[in-house]
Amino acid sequence: EAGVAQSPRYKIIEKRQSVAFWCNPISGHATLYWYQQILGQGPKLLIQFQNNGVVDDSQLPKDRFSAERLKGVDSTLKIQPAKLEDSAVYLCASSHQGASYGYTFGSGTRLTVV
Amino acid sequence: AQKITQTQPGMFVQEKEAVTLDCTYDTSDQSYGLFWYKQPSSGEMIFLIYQGSYDEQNATEGRYSLNFQKARKSANLVISASQLGDSAMYFCAMREGPYNTDKLIFGTGTRLQVFP
Repeated sequence: EAGVAQSPRYKIIEKRQSVAFWCNPISGHATLYWYQQILGQGPKLLIQFQNNGVVDDSQLPKDRFSAERLKGVDSTLKIQPAKLEDSAVYLCASSHQGASYGYTFGSGTRLTVV
Repeated sequence: AQKITQTQPGMFVQEKEAVTLDCTYDTSDQSYGLFWYKQPSSGEMIFLIYQGSYDEQNATEGRYSLNFQKARKSANLVISASQLGDSAMYFCAMREGPYNTDKLIFGTGTRLQVFP
């Protein structure tokens, strides 16, 4: 089966600009996650979707970050306006209740804010 | 409060030797899952091994084994016969809850370097 697809792979923007990341999960995976991984740290959950509904967005900085999953399939994460501290790798993952271990990660988008 | 603790920022091991990467966790749930992931410099998170809280035997996957000590709340990863390709970041993670759709919480990682 195809893995979790993410694009772009790399992005460099200036502070105060906006940026969007795209994720297409594994077919049939109802749950989708966006994680932020700052250099030298472990991934931190930003938002979790179940189909097209939000399950957990408690750590999403809602003044600048937004995410949607309109048709319960692919998802977009947006940052507007970006800050220097948003420089990180943004990982998308998906999971399925019936799978043995559940979680599959994409290759991530590496964002650099200058 | 941090729920996954990895106290070793970096570890060195010689090729063909075994190495243990430490992980302790904290949860009040009875049903949870513990994972180890490998993250090479390319950035993807590669699943290595899983241990369920009700599993009585330690999990093994090829050269990887998980030393699960429930009373101590530890889930150490043992890599036997290290290879140069094992050099990477290793993350311990915990699924809070019984479902494969519950979120994962990660530790800060351990950088493993294997030398010839």
